[in-house]
Amino acid sequence: TAGITQAPTSQILAAGRSMTLRCTQDMRHNAMYWYRQDLGLGLRLIHYSNTAGTTGKGEVPDGYSVSRANTDDFPLTLASAVPSQTSVYFCASSERPGTPNYGYTFGSGTRLTVV
Amino acid sequence: DAKTTQPTSMDCAEGRAANLPCNHSTISGNEYVYWYRQIHSQGPQYIIHGLKNNETNEMASLIITEDRKSSTLILPHATLRDTAVYYCIVRVRNSGYALNFGKGTSLLVTP
Repeated sequence: TAGITQAPTSQILAAGRSMTLRCTQDMRHNAMYWYRQDLGLGLRLIHYSNTAGTTGKGEVPDGYSVSRANTDDFPLTLASAVPSQTSVYFCASSERPGTPNYGYTFGSGTRLTVV
Repeated sequence: DAKTTQPTSMDCAEGRAANLPCNHSTISGNEYVYWYRQIHSQGPQYIIHGLKNNETNEMASLIITEDRKSSTLILPHATLRDTAVYYCIVRVRNSGYALNFGKGTSLLVTP
């Protein structure tokens, strides 16, 4: 089934450790996004990429980095995790983000707990 | 970028229509309104979107006021599986046209 695969599904991470959340899409979508969702709140944009080779900062980028070496993959890295990064992380993609009639596809999320 | 305002929560009896309002008074003339929903912390699911005309698909109807300052999502015959958080969204143009999620409306469909 075409879509977005996120890994791992969940993770407990010690504070100060680094971790990369993986996101892969098989739809050849141009744009990809990383969001975090804290308990009881909506999704907040961390980083985005309009096309392979480009990235940009969203609303809450501090403590996170991304790369977009190819169309399919958009990994999110926490260099030194802190407890406030405990959250559910969603990856999303869109074929042509500047065109209104193209929808957005979301992954199932990664639940990260930093202790 | 335009913001949206939605009620925090709503209830609806199973089988009845659920009408979810959204205010987007600062929306610009060429921005679309999108509706997504999220069930049990799963990834958000697309429902419908529109610009100025009313829209209908197999999931829902979207009614947009003539001045485009507000809209209503209508689930014509709500079921228990429609219990979810519903997000009314306009996109963030300067962030790769990312969807700008607010807190949404938590809809509870009761038997």
